[in-house]
Amino acid sequence: QSALTQPASVSGSPGQSITISCTGTSSDVGGYNFVSWYQQHPGKAPKFMIYDVSNRPSGVSNRFSGSKSGNTASLTISGLQAEDEADYYCSSYTSSSTWVFGGGTKLTVL
Amino acid sequence: QVKLVQSGTEVKKPGASVKVSCQASGYTFSSYNMHWVRQAPGQGLEWMGMITPSGDRASDAQKFQDRVTMTRDTSTSTVYMALSGLTSEDTAVYYCAKDSSNWSFDFWGQGTLVTVSS
Repeated sequence: QSALTQPASVSGSPGQSITISCTGTSSDVGGYNFVSWYQQHPGKAPKFMIYDVSNRPSGVSNRFSGSKSGNTASLTISGLQAEDEADYYCSSYTSSSTWVFGGGTKLTVL
Repeated sequence: QVKLVQSGTEVKKPGASVKVSCQASGYTFSSYNMHWVRQAPGQGLEWMGMITPSGDRASDAQKFQDRVTMTRDTSTSTVYMALSGLTSEDTAVYYCAKDSSNWSFDFWGQGTLVTVSS
């Protein structure tokens, strides 16, 4: 199972919006609405941000939103803040009854 | 509140085995699957496998199938991940992550660093 494809890095200024893409195949992202997103600050464990493509767990800011079109899922962060600077990972359930992560995207807040 | 507390740092020689524990609290342990995810230094997250509440069935990523064993002890609300035949490529932080029941991982342990070096 190959890793999902994410851009290595994205950047934006405070207050702006950014979008991180996550591309898979019909066997994972395209085949199921089971895409989730995680935020990881350096030296910390990942934090659960989005599940089932577009749902936010309790306590996650509504500045974070998710969507999907075909084999590509996306995470959008609006009203960018300094504390959003982190690595972001997507994940999807697969047709092999396994899970796969994206390679990760480093978000820099300029 | 949900907490997953993992065992401490391990240093192993190539060819050895390691067993990492993850003790859960704050939720009904027997009702949720538990996953293991690892992260090599400077690299991304890699899903390793999952153990079901009963422990009777575990799903593993193909690359680990021959080397990984996942078990759980409901009496202590602890899950274990054992990895054998260690090489330097297994040097990583290993995380346990609770299944959310929505095909995702809602709570994570603090991570256990496993270093494989001769």
